[in-house]
Amino acid sequence: GAGVSQTPSNKVTEKGKYVELRCDPISGHTALYWYRQSLGQGPEFLIYFQGTGAADDSGLPNDRFFAVRPEGSVSTLKIQRTERGDSAVYLCASSGSVSHYNEQFFGPGTRLTVL
Amino acid sequence: RKEVEQDPGPFNVPEGATVAFNCTYSNSASQSFFWYRQDCRKEPKLLMSVYSSGNEDGRFTAQLNRASQYISLLIRDSKLSDSATYLCVVSGGGGSQGNLIFGKGTKLSVKP
Repeated sequence: GAGVSQTPSNKVTEKGKYVELRCDPISGHTALYWYRQSLGQGPEFLIYFQGTGAADDSGLPNDRFFAVRPEGSVSTLKIQRTERGDSAVYLCASSGSVSHYNEQFFGPGTRLTVL
Repeated sequence: RKEVEQDPGPFNVPEGATVAFNCTYSNSASQSFFWYRQDCRKEPKLLMSVYSSGNEDGRFTAQLNRASQYISLLIRDSKLSDSATYLCVVSGGGGSQGNLIFGKGTKLSVKP
């Protein structure tokens, strides 16, 4: 079956602009996670959803970052007033439920470059 | 102290070698432990979960020592295709069991 998909695969934007990154989880997966990975680092947790609600957004670095999942499937990560330090690969993952036993399946990521 | 620490490497080994990676974690409340593999410019993929009793999957063996908060991965008979970055991963503690905390990764390069 189809895995997690993310669009766009690459996004180049200018400092100060607004961007939206989209994630389509595996069909039927109720839990969805966003991470970001900077060069030479492991993925860093941002936020996760159980259904439509954000169960834990403690990883969002500041209020310029926001994510939604209005129908409990597709999610959008929104970044306002982008800064050069936001440049990273943004990874989305999904799992059958929010449980530390369930494998998280990752999408290919969106590579964001802020000029 | 970082939450998950691992030697970044690189580990350069010949085919057929045995190589071991180690990792320590700081949150004693973490419940689940994993090794993920990440190829260059690709997404992480689960290699194996790690259990206190130790577990083996073919050439790969993982061990967990909760008292020392230490996780290991042993790869026997290395193949060229094992070349990748290996990420040590633990679940968040307490109410954050759903999110994963990743180490920086250990890079392995297997040479002919």
